[in-house]
Amino acid sequence: GAGVSQSPSNKVTEKGKDVELRCDPISGHTALYWYRQSLGQGLEFLIYFQGNSAPDKSGLPSDRFSAERTGGSVSTLTIQRTQQEDSAVYLCASSLGWRGASTDTQYFGPGTRLTVL
Amino acid sequence: GENVEQHPSTLSVQEGDSAVIKCTYSDSASNYFPWYKQELGKGPQLIIDIRSNVGEKKDQRIAVTLNKTAKHFSLHITETQPEDSAVYFCAASEKGSQGNLIFGKGTKLSVKP
Repeated sequence: GAGVSQSPSNKVTEKGKDVELRCDPISGHTALYWYRQSLGQGLEFLIYFQGNSAPDKSGLPSDRFSAERTGGSVSTLTIQRTQQEDSAVYLCASSLGWRGASTDTQYFGPGTRLTVL
Repeated sequence: GENVEQHPSTLSVQEGDSAVIKCTYSDSASNYFPWYKQELGKGPQLIIDIRSNVGEKKDQRIAVTLNKTAKHFSLHITETQPEDSAVYFCAASEKGSQGNLIFGKGTKLSVKP
């Protein structure tokens, strides 16, 4: 079946502009995660959605970052007033949501490479 | 919170040799340990995982071992092939199932033909 999809695959923007990144999870997966991967680094957790529960936003680095998940499926990560340090690959993952955020098997999308000039 | 350390950061082996990547974690409540493989320009793909009720798991050329007492786990790849070249990430669950997955910084494996 279809995996996690993300769009756009690449995004180049100017400092100070807002950007929106989209994630389509695997059908039937109730949990959705956003991560940031800077060059040569591991994955930094940003935010986690589980069903209709309030999202876990504990990883968002600043109030310029926000995310929403409409209808329990598609999610959008928004970065306002982008800065050069926001340049990274933004990865989305989804899971069945049976066990819990840290013990569910997560399936990743291909990522969106964001470059802030 | 949970801290995961991964070693080595780079590893180069000859085709056919074995490769071992090691990770340590700090949260004794961690009970889930997945390994992901990331090829250039792609998202991480799960290759094997282990839960805390077992000490070893094997899938063809890939195996993972877990030592809960010492709080470390390792990935073993035998008979390496050039297509095994990628970045490998380990991860550990935080606060049992109530936290998030915490990832190591990755190991870049190069398999030379």
